[in-house]
Amino acid sequence: DIVMTQSPDSLAVSLGERATINCTSSQSVLYSANNKNYLGWHQQKAGQSPKLLIFWASTRESGVPDRFSGSGSGTDFTLTISSLQAEDVGVYYCQQYYTTPYTFGRGTKLEIK
Amino acid sequence: QVQLQESGPGLVKSSGTLSLTCAVSGDSISSTHWWTWVRQPPGEGLEWIGEIFHSGRTNYNPSLESRVTISVDTSKNHFSLELKSMTAADTAVYYCARDTFLSYWGRGILVTVSS
Repeated sequence: DIVMTQSPDSLAVSLGERATINCTSSQSVLYSANNKNYLGWHQQKAGQSPKLLIFWASTRESGVPDRFSGSGSGTDFTLTISSLQAEDVGVYYCQQYYTTPYTFGRGTKLEIK
Repeated sequence: QVQLQESGPGLVKSSGTLSLTCAVSGDSISSTHWWTWVRQPPGEGLEWIGEIFHSGRTNYNPSLESRVTISVDTSKNHFSLELKSMTAADTAVYYCARDTFLSYWGRGILVTVSS
């Protein structure tokens, strides 16, 4: 199985400041035939189901605010929130869908400082 | 708008079988998407269970493969999960979702295994 490692486990950021979450995969999730990274980011707010934010490592899902951005390739990826808003509090998960079984990182809990 | 809704029992006896259904609206289950089950134990992270295409082709997590069956009913526009030999470790919120990258999620259903 591909192991997804997220850091940090938790993060406290002031409103309006930048938040950065990292995700590393134990093997590359870049498919050379189409040059796509099979990596997604999901946000889970308290008591809710997860919500897709980013797929193909950097494509923002429709309706997701542009303060959310994804970057990286191969094995190293980053989710950045450029200016933290109060509604961004929650747990963020990276997920690889390069090969089954698809796997998730353990999650990063984002709070307001 | 695509919506998914899980249904089934919230309580299953130990050693029993869990049966859940995911009703899909706003999309045809016969479209070019994979349909997925994911679970989340209370206070823990996410675990991918498996997926199905409308043709009936499936992929399962090897950690559950001996106990899990996912099926699809195109006439009812829904897909289902069956998990046998349930134990306390299977207590979780079970979600259904669309696509390999989980573009749409259901609200989830808490399933508790009782002894």
